[in-house]
Amino acid sequence: NAGVTQTPKFQVLKTGQSMTLQCAQDMNHEYMSWYRQDPGMGLRLIHYSVGAGITDQGEVPNGYNVSRSTTEDFPLRLLSAAPSQTSVYFCASSYSPGVNTEAFFGQGTRLTVV
Amino acid sequence: GESVGLHLPTLSVQEGDNSIINCAYSNSASDYFIWYKQESGKGPQFIIDIRSNMDKRQGQRVTVLLNKTVKHLSLQIAATQPGDSAVYFCAERVNSGYSTLTFGKGTMLLVSP
Repeated sequence: NAGVTQTPKFQVLKTGQSMTLQCAQDMNHEYMSWYRQDPGMGLRLIHYSVGAGITDQGEVPNGYNVSRSTTEDFPLRLLSAAPSQTSVYFCASSYSPGVNTEAFFGQGTRLTVV
Repeated sequence: GESVGLHLPTLSVQEGDNSIINCAYSNSASDYFIWYKQESGKGPQFIIDIRSNMDKRQGQRVTVLLNKTVKHLSLQIAATQPGDSAVYFCAERVNSGYSTLTFGKGTMLLVSP
């Protein structure tokens, strides 16, 4: 059982480049989310999705786009990378946000923008 | 790259001691709380949860206490082991439709053999 899989694990981008962070889960979870983690800041919610075709903004959405065309996949797009987006990114999934279930996290993508 | 563990409050204990990690949450309407453990280079891992209609819940070597009066959550780890060394986060959820989790900044636990 793979759980939540994120790719790539590491990435270096130049300012202005675009890229997509991939996230896939094989648990048939409805709810998926993206967080960024910065030193001393904890985890901050970027975007989330409550099901295929439905997405919404979290606490820090600027500079990021998401889509949810299937239940399994929830990619995060950086349209024009900036040094302020240097961070560790985590994707998470849950069966449902309305049920008392914990979120399962991926292993993270460490992104550096130079 | 800079570790997410830098700039965090740190609790240092000896192997075999009991550890208590504290968390102050922000929203009196929060109805569900989770403790996560994050080891270096890994994603957060669920430890234990508690609903707001409870004040204590026990797991294997861990206990979570909830004091709604002062909006305080604590995680107690019994007989702490070197493998417990990690950053610990609390998270709260306000149940309002499609709810999301809000995470605390974390506490680093260092266990010495």
